[in-house]
Amino acid sequence: DGGITQSPKYLFRKEGQNVTLSCEQNLNHDAMYWYRQDPGQGLRLIYYSQIVNDFQKGDIAEGYSVSREKKESFPLTVTSAQKNPTAFYLCASSPPGEAYEQYFGPGTRLTVT
Amino acid sequence: DAKTTQPPSMDCAEGRAANLPCNHSTISGNEYVYWYRQIHSQGPQYIIHGLKNNETNEMASLIITEDRKSSTLILPHATLRDTAVYYCIVRSRGGTSYGKLTFGQGTILTVHP
Repeated sequence: DGGITQSPKYLFRKEGQNVTLSCEQNLNHDAMYWYRQDPGQGLRLIYYSQIVNDFQKGDIAEGYSVSREKKESFPLTVTSAQKNPTAFYLCASSPPGEAYEQYFGPGTRLTVT
Repeated sequence: DAKTTQPPSMDCAEGRAANLPCNHSTISGNEYVYWYRQIHSQGPQYIIHGLKNNETNEMASLIITEDRKSSTLILPHATLRDTAVYYCIVRSRGGTSYGKLTFGQGTILTVHP
């Protein structure tokens, strides 16, 4: 089955530690996205990548970093510089020419204490 | 991007059709109508999109009025698993758009046994 996988589903970290969230897709999509969702809130775009080895900041990139070395993978690192890292993180991808037809993974719920 | 208006909540009996309306009276000629839903604690799910013709896929049908100022998402035989928040968004494709999704309040659809 084609789809997007994110792991782990739940992640707990101590304040001051960096943590990397995994996102893998086998849909052969070029574009991939990272969003953050806080309770009762909408999606906020962190980073996006339209092609391998290229990525751009979204609206709330501070405290986050990404890489796109392979088409299938777009990991997100939440650094210690992110002031409020506890959130639900969602990865998505979209087919060529269909930037708003996005397919989401199940999400990773990160809790930092 | 055109503004959309949706009712805050709707109820539907299981097995019946759920008809979810969306008003987008300021839509421009190159803007598409997209529908997503989000089930509690899960990532958003793309449902369908269209420009001016009615569209149908395995999940739903999208009916767009001739003047394109409103549309209706139809779930033909609603099940309890269709209980979710449904979002209608209007976006133009192509150009420099990078696919940032922003959801409004949406419609909370509750399917009853």
